[in-house]
Amino acid sequence: EPEVTQTPSHQVTQMGQEVILRCVPISNHLYFYWYRQILGQKVEFLVSFYNNEISEKSEIFDDQFSVERPDGSNFTLKIRSTKLEDSAMYFCASSVRTDQETQYFGPGTRLLVL
Amino acid sequence: SQQGEEDPQALSIQEGENATMNCSYKTSINNLQWYRQNSGRGLVHLILIRSNEREKHSGRLRVTLDTSKKSSSLLITASRAADTASYFCATQRRGTYKYIFGTGTRLKVLA
Repeated sequence: EPEVTQTPSHQVTQMGQEVILRCVPISNHLYFYWYRQILGQKVEFLVSFYNNEISEKSEIFDDQFSVERPDGSNFTLKIRSTKLEDSAMYFCASSVRTDQETQYFGPGTRLLVL
Repeated sequence: SQQGEEDPQALSIQEGENATMNCSYKTSINNLQWYRQNSGRGLVHLILIRSNEREKHSGRLRVTLDTSKKSSSLLITASRAADTASYFCATQRRGTYKYIFGTGTRLKVLA
């Protein structure tokens, strides 16, 4: 069964450094998403992406975040200057459509900012 | 407003018993999904139920949706130790792309 994959599984970085989290969505899916889950807290929506542009973003997704689909398979989340509070599990998800469709999640990247 | 508040927050049952988890939300939704998360791991999709549906089944899982009460329930029948995980409901409002997750129910099934 096709699944969303994410790399790396864990990343440790120093505050102020840039990180890029990578995702390979399910191949026939057209909508892509990033969510995050701070330890012990709810899963929170960050951004959705369709047709090479952001379709919706949350207030969390400020100027230090960006997303890109650099080729036909990868979908990336860049954090330009990491802060301690960016430490979280970051989940990529994808769906065939956006309306009344399942969003399938990847296994996550655990980011630790020191 | 908060969406997707589950109760109970934690549930401990014996293997073979049924487990029921509830989710309440505040605004009109397009659909609702239930996910499972094993400790520190990814989110596994269980069932999607659309706003015009009232009940769905998948194996040992039964999900109900009552849009008049803005609530949903997830029933796991004949639970197994492997069902031990956190269970989340996630709601999507019409016209938006995002799902809003609840706080989750931590289920522990004792062998």
